[in-house]
Parts: sequence; C-alpha cells; structure tokens
Amino acid sequence: DAKTTQPNSMESNEEEPVHLPCNHSTISGTDYIHWYRQLPSQGPEYVIHGLTSNVNNRMASLAIAEDRKSSTLILHRATLRDAAVYYCILRDVDQAGTALIFGKGTTLSVSS
Amino acid sequence: DTGVSQNPRHKITKRGQNVTFRCDPISEHNRLYWYRQTLGQGPEFLTYFQNEAQLEKSRLLSDRFSAERPKGSFSTLEIQRTEQGDSAMYLCASSLPGRQETQYFGPGTRLLVL
Repeated sequence: DAKTTQPNSMESNEEEPVHLPCNHSTISGTDYIHWYRQLPSQGPEYVIHGLTSNVNNRMASLAIAEDRKSSTLILHRATLRDAAVYYCILRDVDQAGTALIFGKGTTLSVSS
Repeated sequence: DTGVSQNPRHKITKRGQNVTFRCDPISEHNRLYWYRQTLGQGPEFLTYFQNEAQLEKSRLLSDRFSAERPKGSFSTLEIQRTEQGDSAMYLCASSLPGRQETQYFGPGTRLLVL
C-alpha cells in the first residue's frame, strides 16, 4: 500500500467544523482512500472511504482532490466524542484481504 | 449488536510465561486479522485468516507467536515465553470479503509483561 502523510496533531473547538488533511502523492489508480479513527482505549473504527468522488455518510465527509494526491476528512460539527486518532489509509482494491497499514495518524483534540 | 469481542481485556504476566488471547469475530465474517499496537504507534499487522486458513503472517510474528482459527470461527493468539517487549495492545478485526472491505475491530487485549 502507498504511503500517506498526516499532521501529528490538530485542535478544534466543539461544534466547529474540522478538516483533517492527508497527502498521498504516490497513490495508484486502484487505491481506495480509507479513514479509520481510534478513540482512547478502544480499537479503531471505520469512518469513511472513497475512490474518486467526494463521499458523505452520517459520521463525516471525504473530499478527494481531483488528482487524488490528497484528501480531507471533514467533521461538520466536532463534539468532545470526536477526540481521537484519525488514520488515513490507502488500500489497493485488487489486493483486498490484506492488512490495513496504519501510520501514526492525526491526534484530534476537541475543546469545549 | 454483537461486534468483535476479545478476551481477556487485560493481562498481566511475568516474563517467560505463556499467554493466550481469544477473539470472537462478527458472525459470518470469514476474514479475521490480528494486529499489535504499542504506545504512540498505529496498529501493526500480525496475521490474517480466511475461514480456518492462515493466509498471511507478518515478520513481526516470531516463532514464539502462534495463531489458530479452528473451524473458521473464533481465533486464539498465543505468545510463548513472553518478553517485556511483547507488552502491547493486541487487536483483532474481522471482515466480509469484498473489494471495498471494511474491517471491524474489537476492543483489544492489553498485555503487560513484568
């Protein structure tokens, strides 16, 4: 899987939008962009994924650059429960069934 | 909602002892993964099962580690002759096959080797 680059940490205030960036300049055409997050003392949980088009679900939105070399996870209104480590991961669709390769992710702090 | 469960949640052992962890995946998920996570790092892959077959192992999985998934249901991860460096969170995840596979993680087993 190709490598991703994320900021080590970000801060936000409650009820404000949060934009978490991810760079993946070596992404291949068959790589899906996945986001997982890990709340304190819990296992990671799936957030969202996409290939080329922007995606929305109940948890977040994923904005993918036109050249696919970067993406942004958007939390529309941060809550205290969104404080977690967010991981951006590339997965080759032709290699489904292999492990997720986690980096260090972005630690998001949310203040009230 | 029966997600992935792991037991025990915490384990403290002395160096040199053997430990075994159990993972119960989501029913009907035929893929099962083990990961290890040390403090401040993201999870690292250890091994992967499809049904009862162990299809992939990481080089992190030394000969002291063994994993099984009898009958393709629950899985166990055993560490023999534990070392202090084995102290970590051990995570299990399960999934259904598919090109956009999503992995569902358990809460993990935190191991402390004294």
